[in-house]
Amino acid sequence: EDQVTQSPEALRLQEGESSSLNCSYTVSGLRGLFWYRQDPGKGPEFLFTLYSAGEEKEKERLKATLTKKESFLHITAPKPEDSATYLCAVRSMFSGGYNKLIFGAGTRLAVHP
Amino acid sequence: GAVVSQHPSWVICKSGTSVKIECRSLDFQATTMFWYRQFPKQSLMLMATSNEGSKATYEQGVEKDKFLINHASLTLSTLTVTSAHPEDSSFYICSAISGNTIYFGEGSWLTVV
Repeated sequence: EDQVTQSPEALRLQEGESSSLNCSYTVSGLRGLFWYRQDPGKGPEFLFTLYSAGEEKEKERLKATLTKKESFLHITAPKPEDSATYLCAVRSMFSGGYNKLIFGAGTRLAVHP
Repeated sequence: GAVVSQHPSWVICKSGTSVKIECRSLDFQATTMFWYRQFPKQSLMLMATSNEGSKATYEQGVEKDKFLINHASLTLSTLTVTSAHPEDSSFYICSAISGNTIYFGEGSWLTVV
């Protein structure tokens, strides 16, 4: 069964304190691993898609990496405005309709000044 | 990125009535849209896949007679919560595929009183 597990559940950082969020996955035929940012009461905002092991993508203070079993979202020198819930999702080739996204529970990030 | 819009952003309805939520792809055509439900501090739960011109595909445990989905055009899908009850109160989010990426709407808060 396809599964996505994110850790930690919650993370508190001081402004400028770099860290990483983890997304572990098991999927039968990966068609993409997605990272989204979700602010309270809003829909998820697309950040990155990664397709193959070794791939990396960057956007401002965020960098996403992918291996065969997990993905990391690295946050460099975070600012309070980076506070949000970060969601990881996988798109599977084989599980009942390959366009479905299977989401992890998310990591709630709080960055304090 | 592509824009997905939901309306209304929030709605309050009386128990026993029906309420419709619209999901529009503003700058692209979407043959497939997805409807999610999200409870506080939880991740997104896929309810159904909406296919333009055909019946929606519902996830296990989702009542198709209660959550009516219509995808009449390439830019519009609607979710109607029929005979709403307080336990249907939730945050409903739609998404649509553009290229290889799945974009989300802003979400709709439903409160049933």
